[in-house]
Amino acid sequence: QVQLQESGPGLVKPSETLSLTCTVSGGSISGYYWNWIRQSPGKGLEWIGYIHYSGSTNYNPSLKSRVTTSIDTSKNQFSLRLKSVTAADTAVYYCARTSFDGNNYYLFDYWGQGTLVTVSS
Amino acid sequence: DIQMTQSPSSLSASVGDRVTITCRASQGIRNDLGWYQQKPGKAPKRLIYAASSLQSGVPSRFSGSGSGTEFTLTISSLQPEDFATYYCLQHNSYPYTFGQGTKLETK
Repeated sequence: QVQLQESGPGLVKPSETLSLTCTVSGGSISGYYWNWIRQSPGKGLEWIGYIHYSGSTNYNPSLKSRVTTSIDTSKNQFSLRLKSVTAADTAVYYCARTSFDGNNYYLFDYWGQGTLVTVSS
Repeated sequence: DIQMTQSPSSLSASVGDRVTITCRASQGIRNDLGWYQQKPGKAPKRLIYAASSLQSGVPSRFSGSGSGTEFTLTISSLQPEDFATYYCLQHNSYPYTFGQGTKLETK
């Protein structure tokens, strides 16, 4: 059974960089797209972006200037960095998997449990 | 961005009721839509993909339909464990966007 687990600091100061890692177990990171999604009371669920196992990326334009992602296939991990955070970035952050069978995409079949990140001084 | 509008935003129902939730897209998205169930403190769980395909392990009382701009999620006979918040998600165009959610509460 595939499992995803987010990890990282739960508190980040304004203007600093939020860094999270998602560790994939029970399956390979290869062959899939790996997503970050966040949920805040004010904005509901928001897709942040994905990184493909090959390293290609796609980000939400609303966050693109502040987001970078990376992937380490040897560790079965991928990571999110969001710079210059403000209180508006306070949210529960989830990682999730997308698969592709050559014709169709199958979004978010597996999710991490989520991690709350609070932006505050 | 494609806007996904769910209705209703909240719904009161009883065990055994048939419930329908609607999601409308601001432009056509073919059948590139999924439905997710979220319970408090938990990650969303996929119920339906490709608008009408039932995720493995999900009870058959859940069904999805629609194509283009209008989609529905139907629960044929509500069970106690179905009281939760439901979201639609479009993945036809970037950025992927979710509906605002429908909170299903017990009457």
